[in-house]
Amino acid sequence: DTGVSQNPRHKITKRGQNVTFRCDPISEHNRLYWYRQTLGQGPEFLTYFQNEAQLEKSRLLSDRFSAERPKGSFSTLEIQRTEQGDSAMYLCASSPGGTSYEQYFGPGTRLTVT
Amino acid sequence: GENVEQHPSTLSVQEGDSAVIKCTYSDSASNYFPWYKQELGKGPQLIIDIRSNVGEKKDQRIAVTLNKTAKHFSLHITETQPEDSAVYFCAASSLGMEYGNKLVFGAGTILRVKS
Repeated sequence: DTGVSQNPRHKITKRGQNVTFRCDPISEHNRLYWYRQTLGQGPEFLTYFQNEAQLEKSRLLSDRFSAERPKGSFSTLEIQRTEQGDSAMYLCASSPGGTSYEQYFGPGTRLTVT
Repeated sequence: GENVEQHPSTLSVQEGDSAVIKCTYSDSASNYFPWYKQELGKGPQLIIDIRSNVGEKKDQRIAVTLNKTAKHFSLHITETQPEDSAVYFCAASSLGMEYGNKLVFGAGTILRVKS
């Protein structure tokens, strides 16, 4: 099964450190999304790529956050100068494109900032 | 922007009974409504979805209904089984290139099926 994969699955970091997460979407899915989920809440949209173009960013995505999808395949999400409030599950989803809009999620990366 | 409210926050049913989860949305431009099941330590799993040109959709024990006029949609699970126990999320989106198709989620419903 070649579903969405995310690495690492867990990351513990100290406040002020930088972290980077990777997402590998389902093959040939040209839309890729990042969401953040805190305990007891639904996922919240962060950003969206159509191929390599980043088309939308949420106001949740402060200037400490940056996302890339350089070749339209995998994506990375970097958080600089982490804060305790960044502790959350970071979820990636991919979607086929065209008239298919279903989003398929990966297992997530659990970030804990101490 | 879109706002999605979901009720109840927790739901306990006896095995074999039906479960119903309800959501309301605020943006009349929303036209796509998926439901996700999330188990502990896993990402959300798409279980069923509906577009606004359809009033009801079924897939085995799962059905979703949509009332565009009232801006609400519901998930129905019949003949519940212990493995249905999980957190269920509804979501809403506006489809089309100009919207980005981002999902706005409800807060989730914890479903417990007692055997």
